[in-house]
Amino acid sequence: EPEVTQTPSHQVTQMGQEVILRCVPISNHLYFYWYRQILGQKVEFLVSFYNNEISEKSEIFDDQFSVERPDGSNFTLKIRSTKLEDSAMYFCASKVEGQGYNEQFFGPGTRLTVL
Amino acid sequence: AQSVTQPDIHITVSEGASLELRCNYSYGATPYLFWYVQSPGQGLQLLLKYFSGDTLVQGIKGFEAEFKRSQSSFNLRKPSVHWSDAAEYFCAVGARGNTDKLIFGTGTRLQVFP
Repeated sequence: EPEVTQTPSHQVTQMGQEVILRCVPISNHLYFYWYRQILGQKVEFLVSFYNNEISEKSEIFDDQFSVERPDGSNFTLKIRSTKLEDSAMYFCASKVEGQGYNEQFFGPGTRLTVL
Repeated sequence: AQSVTQPDIHITVSEGASLELRCNYSYGATPYLFWYVQSPGQGLQLLLKYFSGDTLVQGIKGFEAEFKRSQSSFNLRKPSVHWSDAAEYFCAVGARGNTDKLIFGTGTRLQVFP
């Protein structure tokens, strides 16, 4: 069964460093998402991406964040200069294009620890 | 504004007991509703979803949920809990629109005693 994959599973970085979180969505999916979950808190929407551009972003997704689909398979989230409060689990999700509402499939997440 | 409330932060039940996890939503139209489960250190697994039609929906692992429009609720139930059901459960509403983003509740942590 196809699944969303994410690498790395755990990333430790120093404050101020750039990190890139990688996701490989399901191959025939066209909508891509990033969510984050700070430890002990709810899952929050960060950004959605469709047709090679951001379709919606939350207030969390400031200028320090960017997303990219560099090739036909990967979808990345970059944090330019990490802050302590960026420590969280980051989930990638994807879904097909189609009429009506379609289920989002989530990856296993990348735990980001900023020291 | 769209929101999801899960009033129970932590629930403890005995194995074999019945379970109900509460979820209330605030949304202007008929919502798309979901329950996800997250085991420790794992990602989010979809248990069930409601889009339209029959208000009682069946999901995986023996779970079901009932959509009650009058109460703006979508409570998750299971008649007999297994120890492996111990996990965090998230209710979510799908925001209709350009992106169909999900809005999650704060989650309910389920602990199961043998």
